[in-house]
Amino acid sequence: KAGVTQTPRYLIKTRGQQVTLSCSPISGHRSVSWYQQTPGQGLQFLFEYFSETQRNKGNFPGRFSGRQFSNSRSEMNVSTLELGDSALYLCASSRDVGAEAFFGQGTRLTVV
Amino acid sequence: AQSVTQLDSQVPVFEEAPVELRCNYSSSVSVYLFWYVQYPNQGLQLLLKYLSGSTLVESINGFEAEFNKSQTSFHLRKPSVHISDTAEYFCAVTRNSGNTPLVFGKGTRLSVIA
Repeated sequence: KAGVTQTPRYLIKTRGQQVTLSCSPISGHRSVSWYQQTPGQGLQFLFEYFSETQRNKGNFPGRFSGRQFSNSRSEMNVSTLELGDSALYLCASSRDVGAEAFFGQGTRLTVV
Repeated sequence: AQSVTQLDSQVPVFEEAPVELRCNYSSSVSVYLFWYVQYPNQGLQLLLKYLSGSTLVESINGFEAEFNKSQTSFHLRKPSVHISDTAEYFCAVTRNSGNTPLVFGKGTRLSVIA
């Protein structure tokens, strides 16, 4: 059974640009969550999608957005990138919201 | 809302010594609890979980954690650590009624010294 796949693994962007990250969940999982991980703040919840609907949202500015497709694949977008957006972005999938979560290897975003 | 406090940000320990990584949670409702491990440049892997039933849960690689409702704790223990246990460990909580995301502690970096 394939795990959670995140693409790309590494990304370098310039301030002001925008970026899209992709996550393919485990087959059969309908819930996808996104987390931002930084050394100072740890793991911070961004948002969670279930069956194409955003169910929960963390305390991030509107520059951070996401969506989920009918096949449960999810994308997150960050517009007008800032240096502070440099982080490891982790995607997790689960059968349902709040159930055991399985994580991808993450996308490391560096903003220069 | 739930919250998690991992009391130690770094724990150095000698190989074959015992270790305890502490986790306390705050919640006004019943919860599910998890420990995840993260190796360098990797995502998080589930180590063990408490959903219901026995308060002592074990992982396949020798770790165990005990859910203590009165002390709102879920400490992780291993009687004898190995070099390969060097990693960052995250405690997480969610409501057992569902529909809420996992809330993570800030992590504890376990360094096993040869």
